Amino acid sequence: EVQLLESGGGLVQPGGSLRLSCAASGFTFNTYAMSWVRQAPGKGLEWVALIFGSGGTTYYADSVKGRFTISRDNSKNTLYLQMNSLRAEDTALYYCARRLPHDISDHNYYYALDVWGQGTTVTVSS
Amino acid sequence: DIQMIQSPSSLSASVGDRVTITCRASQSISSYLSWYQQKPGKAPKLLIYAASSLQSGVPSRFSGSGSGTDFTLSISSLQLEDFGTYYCQHSYTTPYSFGQGTKLEIK
Repeated sequence: EVQLLESGGGLVQPGGSLRLSCAASGFTFNTYAMSWVRQAPGKGLEWVALIFGSGGTTYYADSVKGRFTISRDNSKNTLYLQMNSLRAEDTALYYCARRLPHDISDHNYYYALDVWGQGTTVTVSS
Repeated sequence: DIQMIQSPSSLSASVGDRVTITCRASQSISSYLSWYQQKPGKAPKLLIYAASSLQSGVPSRFSGSGSGTDFTLSISSLQLEDFGTYYCQHSYTTPYSFGQGTKLEIK
């Protein structure tokens, strides 16, 4: 069964740091790009970051650029999100998600996010 | 950055109704558009990818259409289990972004 399991959330003071993990199972992890998506309490979904399967290419939302770092350890089938200089507005439920490829055997998937974890909660407060 | 605007923000409909949610992109995104359903306390679930392709396991009453800047998600005959919040998302270029969501309530 394809599965993603986040961990590492918690309560942190403003300016502090936290590292989230996302353990993947049931698929060939290093062949998929992965994303982090967050959801503030009572709010909508916000895309946060993307990393390619090799780990060599990353992209970020402007709201986290320079503060967050997405990375992966393909030997451990694990995705990470290092969050530094945390702010109150970073308080959210953080999901990891698998990104489908552009296409497979001429069928277009256009990078949809097809598998999601259950999320881990980050609260930034003094 | 590409902005995604959904309408309506909320709607209430009865079992058996046909429901349509629209999503507009601030610039052309071809067919790089997905739709997700989220129920309270749960992770989002992929319904439609590439604007009109039904994800495996999703009931055929769900359908998507559109390309360029204007897209729709339709539910042909609303069922009780279809309550929740629906989001569109583009994946044309980073930063990917989501619409603000449409909360669907069953009357």
